Amino acid sequence: NAGVTQTPKFQVLKTGQSMTLQCAQDMNHEYMSWYRQDPGMGLRLIHYSVGAGITDQGEVPNGYNVSRSTTEDFPLRLLSAAPSQTSVYFCASRDEGLAGPSGEQYFGPGTRLTVT
Amino acid sequence: AQSVTQPDIHITVSEGASLELRCNYSYGATPYLFWYVQSPGQGLQLLLKYFSGDTLVQGIKGFEAEFKRSQSSFNLRKPSVHWSDAAEYFCAVASPGATNKLIFGTGTLLAVQP
Repeated sequence: NAGVTQTPKFQVLKTGQSMTLQCAQDMNHEYMSWYRQDPGMGLRLIHYSVGAGITDQGEVPNGYNVSRSTTEDFPLRLLSAAPSQTSVYFCASRDEGLAGPSGEQYFGPGTRLTVT
Repeated sequence: AQSVTQPDIHITVSEGASLELRCNYSYGATPYLFWYVQSPGQGLQLLLKYFSGDTLVQGIKGFEAEFKRSQSSFNLRKPSVHWSDAAEYFCAVASPGATNKLIFGTGTLLAVQP
């Protein structure tokens, strides 16, 4: 049981390039989320998914796309990277629990992205 | 709109001393409340959570937190800090039933002096 995995760990992009941050979980969790972490701002929700085929926007969705074709995977796409997207990105998944939302989100180790 | 305030950006305590990290929230009703810890270069780990019931919540690593409705606070405490507790601590809130949408505070960075 690997939990939540993210690749790559580090990435440097030039402005305008595109890339996909990968996120996978092996806990059969329905809920998955992407956050970005910036100094002095905590973590902010980018997009989230409540199950395969269902996604929705979070607090800071602009410049990012997501899709959820399987329960396990939730990739985050940057179509045209900008320096403002330099950040650390965390993927998380949550178990619904037998008695309703358990609340605990499990976080991946993060991807540190620099856009020059 | 929901919000979380952690008024202390940086705190330094001596090893063995007690610790209290402050968290205040803004929400119309009682939200779900969480404390996470992030060690350098690592992801976030849940320390404890409050949904309802007993307002004093016990977590992992000897931490506890107390929910005070009248003060809209959920402060994290530990009676005796260890050097390994040096990390960044985040308070977070979520609407009941929507805990995939966490709202985080800006974090408190804890340094532990020998």
